Amino acid sequence: QKEVEQNSGPLSVPEGAIASLNCTYSDQGSQSFFWYRQYSGKSPELIMFIYSNGDKEDGRFTAQLNKASQYVSLLIRDSQPSDSATYLCAVTGGKFSGGYNKLIFGAGTRLAVHP
Amino acid sequence: DADVTQTPRNRITKTGKRIMLECSQTKGHDRMYWYRQDPGLGLRLIYYSFDVKDINKGEISDGYSVSRQAQAKFSLSLESAIPNQTALYFCATRSSSGGLADTQYFGPGTRLTVL
Repeated sequence: QKEVEQNSGPLSVPEGAIASLNCTYSDQGSQSFFWYRQYSGKSPELIMFIYSNGDKEDGRFTAQLNKASQYVSLLIRDSQPSDSATYLCAVTGGKFSGGYNKLIFGAGTRLAVHP
Repeated sequence: DADVTQTPRNRITKTGKRIMLECSQTKGHDRMYWYRQDPGLGLRLIYYSFDVKDINKGEISDGYSVSRQAQAKFSLSLESAIPNQTALYFCATRSSSGGLADTQYFGPGTRLTVL
């Protein structure tokens, strides 16, 4: 089992729709969770972070965390073609695997927003 | 100017050659990281450093070495490059002061091709 799992996609959504990206993680000790967006050939850029159970909203983006289910998701409302990118889920290591000084990345989900 | 810079941005080399990739940052962060990214595999940690005297191996350190010349500089060397080291390499930095919310900030990447 991979430490951080994401569906590779592509996830195809029409412009204006809600895109839902999911991520599961294996280390129960992980405390912080991050979503990065990466355009092809570019570096990852942080979109959101979350560390408390529940929802966190920032503009069109909502991160959701459920530590009991070891599940984190990212919702993108009113999706735009410019949102087309790969979205990387990253979690901090547990107590015995680096803690918050290390990030463990999923392989990413490719999102395609079509007009 | 970018906070995290990497040189070179692109490099083509031959099997057996020694290669050095350099990373510099102006963010004042003490944590620095080297990752490689391969299609479908996400970002994998090669080495990380908490300060000039504290260097640690990541999950895929074989075939690589690093040097932390100063707080702001962290170099990655491939002692004898081989074709399966062809990848996109990223440097990242992180502050040690923020705890749960602090994330890693990435440089623009170096695309390395080993023939």
